Amino acid sequence: EPEVTQTPSHQVTQMGQEVILRCVPISNHLYFYWYRQILGQKVEFLVSFYNNEISEKSEIFDDQFSVERPDGSNFTLKIRSTKLEDSAMYFCASQVTPEGANVLTFGAGSRLTVL
Amino acid sequence: SQQGEEDPQALSIQEGENATMNCSYKTSINNLQWYRQNSGRGLVHLILIRSNEREKHSGRLRVTLDTSKKSSSLLITASRAADTASYFCATDGSYNTDKLIFGTGTRLQVFP
Repeated sequence: EPEVTQTPSHQVTQMGQEVILRCVPISNHLYFYWYRQILGQKVEFLVSFYNNEISEKSEIFDDQFSVERPDGSNFTLKIRSTKLEDSAMYFCASQVTPEGANVLTFGAGSRLTVL
Repeated sequence: SQQGEEDPQALSIQEGENATMNCSYKTSINNLQWYRQNSGRGLVHLILIRSNEREKHSGRLRVTLDTSKKSSSLLITASRAADTASYFCATDGSYNTDKLIFGTGTRLQVFP
């Protein structure tokens, strides 16, 4: 069954460092998302991406965050200068098209620990 | 208060029993979904119910939706130890938005 793959599975970084989380969405999917889940809390929307541009972003997604689809397969989330509160599980998700109900396929997540 | 709140927060049952989880939301929706999350893993879509539907079945899952009360329930019948996971409801907005808003989740523990 097709799946969304994420790397790394776990990254530990020092506060202030840049982090790039990578995702390979399902190949025929056109709509991509990043969500995050702070330990024990809700899954929160960060950003959606369609047609090579950001479609929607949350208030969490400030200037420290950026997303990119550098080639035909990868979808990345960059955090320029990590803060302690960025420690969370980051989930990539994809969807076939933006039309209709947004049923998402999630990756297994990348756990980010900021020290 | 938050869109999407489940209750109970945690539920422990024996194998073979039924598990019922509830979700309440605040705004109008087009549809409501339920996702499952095994510990430390990603979310897996279980079932979607549209705002004009009242009940939907999928295998051992039964979902109801009451838009007048802005609530939904997920029933898992004849539970198995493998059903142990967290279960989240997720709503979209009735207006033009991409995001799903997830609830707080119910942690289900099924004992063999």
